[in-house]
Amino acid sequence: LAKTTQPISMDSYEGQEVNITCSHNNIATNDYITWYQQFPSQGPRFIIQGYKTKVTNEVASLFIPADRKSSTLSLPRVSLSDTAVYYCLVAPNNAGNMLTFGGGTRLMVKP
Amino acid sequence: NAGVTQTPKFRVLKTGQSMTLLCAQDMNHEYMYWYRQDPGMGLRLIHYSVGEGTTAKGEVPDGYNVSRLKKQNFLLGLESAAPSQTSVYFCASSYAGNDQPQHFGDGTRLSIL
Repeated sequence: LAKTTQPISMDSYEGQEVNITCSHNNIATNDYITWYQQFPSQGPRFIIQGYKTKVTNEVASLFIPADRKSSTLSLPRVSLSDTAVYYCLVAPNNAGNMLTFGGGTRLMVKP
Repeated sequence: NAGVTQTPKFRVLKTGQSMTLLCAQDMNHEYMYWYRQDPGMGLRLIHYSVGEGTTAKGEVPDGYNVSRLKKQNFLLGLESAAPSQTSVYFCASSYAGNDQPQHFGDGTRLSIL
């Protein structure tokens, strides 16, 4: 399984764009990159997933460079409610492979 | 549509007692998972199942057993609870393949005295 490295914590202010980068140097050819968000006392929630280049949905964008050794989750114009822990996961889609959640990045959005 | 439902939400056990945590999903998902999350930590996979009647060990399986007798249910058992198993337990499910998003329940807070 590809190991991921994320910053432990980040601070931001309301209305700013937040970029959280995840390093996954040993990513394999058939690995997908997935990001989850977790609020206190709740289970993680899927945010976005990608394989290469750029993916955008109503919540976030995911940027993946050509070498795929890192990825960046971009949250546009954050609000206080975006304060949460964000996890980057890398895993292949083969049956029987398990996902590994690292420590995640604690994002604190301030007023 | 309830999604993933975990029962119970809270439980306090004494060392050596046994109990079973129930996870039910109504999305017809093939894959189901049990994780534990200790304070300030990420989630660690205990056991998972890729289909009815099949189970496999995850990252931290010792002290736990699981069963997947029905597609919609995934049970996690503690045969002899230990204080080190005090944690928040999350169940998740997904369509087949790790490229499919996992849907999580709200967790079970388990304290073992």
